[in-house]
Amino acid sequence: AQSVAQPEDQVNVAEGNPLTVKCTYSVSGNPYLFWYVQYPNRGLQFLLKYITGDNLVKGSYGFEAEFNKSQTSFHLKKPSALVSDSALYFCAVRATSGGSYIPTFGRGTSLIVHP
Amino acid sequence: EAQVTQNPRYLITVTGKKLTVTCSQNMNHEYMSWYRQDPGLGLRQIYYSMNVEVTDKGDVPEGYKVSRKEKRNFPLILESPSPNQTSLYFCASSSPGLGDEQYFGPGTRLTVT
Repeated sequence: AQSVAQPEDQVNVAEGNPLTVKCTYSVSGNPYLFWYVQYPNRGLQFLLKYITGDNLVKGSYGFEAEFNKSQTSFHLKKPSALVSDSALYFCAVRATSGGSYIPTFGRGTSLIVHP
Repeated sequence: EAQVTQNPRYLITVTGKKLTVTCSQNMNHEYMSWYRQDPGLGLRQIYYSMNVEVTDKGDVPEGYKVSRKEKRNFPLILESPSPNQTSLYFCASSSPGLGDEQYFGPGTRLTVT
């Protein structure tokens, strides 16, 4: 079975400060890891993914994420937050082989960036 | 434009009245899935399909049916809706390529009274 934990329901950060949204996962074997963002009244949009290789993955809108195999984590980061980054963020995991190829999502973390 | 479409976007219905939410994708994706999103519970998978005529249950399949007769379409059927199925529903599709991301529809907000 595969699962994702996003330990924070909400993250608050001031504009211009760095932000981190946490994600840990559990999966048999190696993972594919994803981050998605959901703006109000919209569907989820893909931000970035880890497949293999470099542990630091860069994605859309200046976001990046760091894969840490020993800690089974895939935290989302951005050096300087913008008010427009305020949204709901979902982490997802999928096994690279066997089982379902459909990812499992976390519960989501609401990011609020204050002006 | 590559996209996943859902209809209707908003629906208010009464308990027991059968309904169908349609989902269509124009990217020739093999994989399609349905999720429901509820406050505090995040995104939960209802059903998924890995190809035409191949469907499987997700985490919360009770009260739902799906079919995959064509590659592009994956309708969600509620035979006898109940108030606990009031939720925001998303359809998604992806190709089976290694690590391919999902493309999501805009969502259908369903209210069952």
